[in-house]
Amino acid sequence: NAGVTQTPKFQVLKTGQSMTLQCAQDMNHNSMYWYRQDPGMGLRLIYYSASEGTTDKGEVPNGYNVSRLNKREFSLRLESAAPSQTSVYFCASRAGLAGADTQYFGPGTRLTVL
Amino acid sequence: ELKVEQNPLFLSMQEGKNYTIYCNYSTTSDRLYWYRQDPGKSLESLFVLLSNGAVKQEGRLMASLDTKARLSTLHITAAVHDLSATYFCAGPDYGGSQGNLIFGKGTKLSVKP
Repeated sequence: NAGVTQTPKFQVLKTGQSMTLQCAQDMNHNSMYWYRQDPGMGLRLIYYSASEGTTDKGEVPNGYNVSRLNKREFSLRLESAAPSQTSVYFCASRAGLAGADTQYFGPGTRLTVL
Repeated sequence: ELKVEQNPLFLSMQEGKNYTIYCNYSTTSDRLYWYRQDPGKSLESLFVLLSNGAVKQEGRLMASLDTKARLSTLHITAAVHDLSATYFCAGPDYGGSQGNLIFGKGTKLSVKP
């Protein structure tokens, strides 16, 4: 099992450029999440997908869009990147629709917007 | 909305010493999660605490949950350098979708020889 995979690992963009961060999980999990991590801020939820076919906003959704392509894949798109979106992005997945199981995290994407 | 506060945010310890990281949360919650993050790496699940009085231990780390006090602790016994990492606690966001987590800001632990 690869668990949760993310591509790319690193990316540098110029202000205004667009890009899509890819995430896939091979654990047959229902729920998937996108977080950003900034120094001293912990993790903040951008968007989540509780199950295939649904997506919802988290704490900091502005400037992002998501697609739950199928049960395995959940992508995050930046339509017009801004320097404030420089961050480390983590994708995570969880088995249940409800319940107490933990989240499993991907390796992260380090994004710099110049 | 649940708020999660950890303290201390930075902790420098000597090897062999004991210490406790505290995680306070603002609203009633029946579960609490602990994660570890090594520098430049992803988050790894350490403990899932599911009820009042729950205690879990792995190696030199022991986590407990007191739902009445809205407090979880992560106790480190006889610290070693390998425990140097950032530790996060997280609680469920009942205001959003079940399964969403609210994270604390993390406690950066540095264990010095």
